Amino acid sequence: EADIYQTPRYLVIGTGKKITLECSQTMGHDKMYWYQQDPGMELHLIHYSYGVNSTEKGDLSSESTVSRIRTEHFPLTLESARPSHTSQYLCASSEYKGAGSTGELFFGEGSRLTVL
Amino acid sequence: AQKVTQAQTEISVVEKEDVTLDCVYETRDTTYYLFWYKQPPSGELVFLIRRNSFDEQNEISGRYSWNFQKSTSSFNFTITASQVVDSAVYFCALSAAQKLVFGQGTRLTINP
Repeated sequence: EADIYQTPRYLVIGTGKKITLECSQTMGHDKMYWYQQDPGMELHLIHYSYGVNSTEKGDLSSESTVSRIRTEHFPLTLESARPSHTSQYLCASSEYKGAGSTGELFFGEGSRLTVL
Repeated sequence: AQKVTQAQTEISVVEKEDVTLDCVYETRDTTYYLFWYKQPPSGELVFLIRRNSFDEQNEISGRYSWNFQKSTSSFNFTITASQVVDSAVYFCALSAAQKLVFGQGTRLTINP
């Protein structure tokens, strides 16, 4: 049973608000990821981290930022939300298995964000 | 560059039919990993299988089976005797050179 949690599951907010999507995992995984996805559509990697104090931008440009101060925690922040940010955000983690390898990704249940 | 193509955008079959979801990948790396994930209407992604590039043995898990063929760069997924609960979006993914790339997904609908 995967132990990765995202909050909130659903969020509806107005334009211009600052929001933080929380992601926590209890598996001690070094690698964590944020994907953006319109329901049932392609997943786009927006941020990832190899470990504490490591953050990298993904393939899809995003106005969001992330931080990794603790191994288990990888929050995503939008300073000023806009309607174009409306989407589902999926957090994932995996065990680091060395160069050229990715362990199984465990995904959270997702945070569905709607910006009015 | 890594790329995954799931040419079937949507598939609809009647319950108990067998169905195969296609996945074709591109990579120049000799060491890589392939995955399948299921995304039911609830939204979470559920891991189904992970295979490495050195293991071409086909795998069967209950009604699910996977056919990995390096010669055609394909990693196809077959559901035998499909059930309504199999309805979901299925994603194929490729991991190589520290990057994980997903295909566009195939929406599978199983009708009663």
